[in-house]
Amino acid sequence: EVQLVQSGAEVKKPGESLKISCKGSGYSFTSYWIGWVRQMPGKGLEWMGIIYPGDSDTRYSPSFQGQVTISADKSISTAYLQWSSLKASDTAMYYCVRHESGNAFDIWGQGTMVTVSS
Amino acid sequence: DIQMTQSPSSLSASVGDRVTITCRASQGISNSLAWYQQKPGKAPKLLLYAASRLESGVPSRFSGSGSGTDYTLTISSLQPEDFATYYCQQYYSTPPWTFGQGTKVEIK
Repeated sequence: EVQLVQSGAEVKKPGESLKISCKGSGYSFTSYWIGWVRQMPGKGLEWMGIIYPGDSDTRYSPSFQGQVTISADKSISTAYLQWSSLKASDTAMYYCVRHESGNAFDIWGQGTMVTVSS
Repeated sequence: DIQMTQSPSSLSASVGDRVTITCRASQGISNSLAWYQQKPGKAPKLLLYAASRLESGVPSRFSGSGSGTDYTLTISSLQPEDFATYYCQQYYSTPPWTFGQGTKVEIK
């Protein structure tokens, strides 16, 4: 079964760092892009950025450039989304997604809820 | 960036109704358009891609159409399990790939 399994919910304080993960299985991890999508409480979906684990080519939405870092470790089929200094406004559900170049997001992780509160 | 304008933002419908949701892109996107369904507390699920191609396992009551800048998702006969929020998304050319604001389909 093709799936993306994300790490568990996190509760952090403003200013703390965080790295969440997304592990792919059931397919060739290096042959598909992995993206990240944010959903703030009660709001819509926002595309954050993508990485191609095969060569670590990474692209960011201008809205998230410099705010987060996307990385991947192809040896363990895992992609990451990290923050160096969290803000309360980072409180959201984060989904990882799989897609082929030029195609839609066909597989979604279950989501990781990040709560940032003092 | 390409902006996606989805309408309506919400609608109320009854089981068996025909429902139509529209999505307009700020520029032509050559059918690089997907539709997703999201139920409360769940991750979104891909319904259609390339504007009109049904993802495997998705019921045939869902259909998509359109070209250029204007696209439509139609549910031919609304079922109880279809009450959810629907999002369009463009994945044309280079990123960022943007979503519409969502349409919440509620029970009348």
